[in-house]
Amino acid sequence: NAGVTQTPKFRVLKTGQSMTLLCAQDMNHEYMYWYRQDPGMGLRLIHYSVGEGTTAKGEVPDGYNVSRLKKQNFLLGLESAAPSQTSVYFCASSFNPLSAASYEQYFGPGTRLTVT
Amino acid sequence: AQSVTQPDIHITVSEGASLELRCNYSYGATPYLFWYVQSPGQGLQLLLKYFSGDTLVQGIKGFEAEFKRSQSSFNLRKPSVHWSDAAEYFCAVGDSSYKLIFGSGTRLLVRP
Repeated sequence: NAGVTQTPKFRVLKTGQSMTLLCAQDMNHEYMYWYRQDPGMGLRLIHYSVGEGTTAKGEVPDGYNVSRLKKQNFLLGLESAAPSQTSVYFCASSFNPLSAASYEQYFGPGTRLTVT
Repeated sequence: AQSVTQPDIHITVSEGASLELRCNYSYGATPYLFWYVQSPGQGLQLLLKYFSGDTLVQGIKGFEAEFKRSQSSFNLRKPSVHWSDAAEYFCAVGDSSYKLIFGSGTRLLVRP
């Protein structure tokens, strides 16, 4: 049981390049989330998904797109990276309908992205 | 709008001393409250949670937190800090759609 995994762990992009971050969970969770973490700002929600095939905007969605084609995977895309997107990105999942602990979010180890 | 405030950016305590990290929230209904810990270079791990019932909740690693509705607070405590507790701590409140709103975090430094 791997929990929540993220690929890659580190990445350096040039301004204007694109990339996709992959998040996978093996806990049969319905909900998945993408956050970014910046110093002194805690975690801010970028996009989230309440089930396969659904996505919704969070607090800071601009410049990012997401897809949830399979229940276990949640992809975060940057179409044209900007230095302001330099951050640590965390994926999380929650809400197994068969469990009472639906609010608990389980986090991946993070992806450190630098845009130069 | 819901919000979470952690007024202390950094806290330094000596090993063996007691610890209290402050958290205040703003939420209209009965809140679901959480404390997470993040060790350097790691993801977030759930320490404890409050959903309802007893206002003093116990978590992992010897931590506890007390929900005080009258003060809109959910402070985290530990009676005796260990060097391995050095980390960043985040308080969060859950909204009605299963999203979490996080505070900006408190970094704990432990003096030997």
